[in-house]
Amino acid sequence: QVQLQQWGAGLLKPSETLSLTCDVNGGSFSGFYWNWIRQTPGKGLEWIGEINHSGSTNYNPSLKSRVTISIDTSKNQFSLKLNSVTAADTAMYYCARGFWDGYYYFDYWGQGNLVTVSS
Amino acid sequence: SYVLTQPPSVSVAPGQTARITCGGNNIGSKNVHWYQQKSGQAPVLVVYADTNRPSGIPERFSGFNSGNTATLSISRVDAGDEAAYYCQVWGVSSDHSVVFGGGTKLTVL
Repeated sequence: QVQLQQWGAGLLKPSETLSLTCDVNGGSFSGFYWNWIRQTPGKGLEWIGEINHSGSTNYNPSLKSRVTISIDTSKNQFSLKLNSVTAADTAMYYCARGFWDGYYYFDYWGQGNLVTVSS
Repeated sequence: SYVLTQPPSVSVAPGQTARITCGGNNIGSKNVHWYQQKSGQAPVLVVYADTNRPSGIPERFSGFNSGNTATLSISRVDAGDEAAYYCQVWGVSSDHSVVFGGGTKLTVL
């Protein structure tokens, strides 16, 4: 059974950098894309970006200038950094496994991290 | 950018069938996936590629996609199905773009 466990700072000040890590237990780490998705009351679910085991990334164009997703295959972990945060980045952040087979969906999710940006 | 439109809420009596729609331009040409999110929990995949159920998802959950509307149907609804449901598509404007619908809150009366 695949399990994703995530952690990171939950309270940030404006202009700081959000940093979250997701640990993957069970299943193969290669052959999938590893994603970050956030959820706000106002905007619903928003895809942030993804990385594969080779380190190839894709980002949501609306966040691309501020986002970095990295991977550590030796630990089966991947991470998110979002810089210059504002109150608009306050959200629940999820890591998720992306499965591609001509179409693309998220079959395993982490438990979520609530990140609040406030001065 | 591609927009997926869902009704904010759907209400249904226990034992009836709930139908949740997801509208998008020519969505019938795309693969649609559906997620269930109960209060305080992470989303769970309930239908993928329009009509397929992951292991462990009851047969009561089914999907259909044609034209400009995809539909998630839940038959014999019970209180445990009360949740928000989201549709999702991929690759609509660039190679790896992911789009979610705004979500529909299913209330079991």
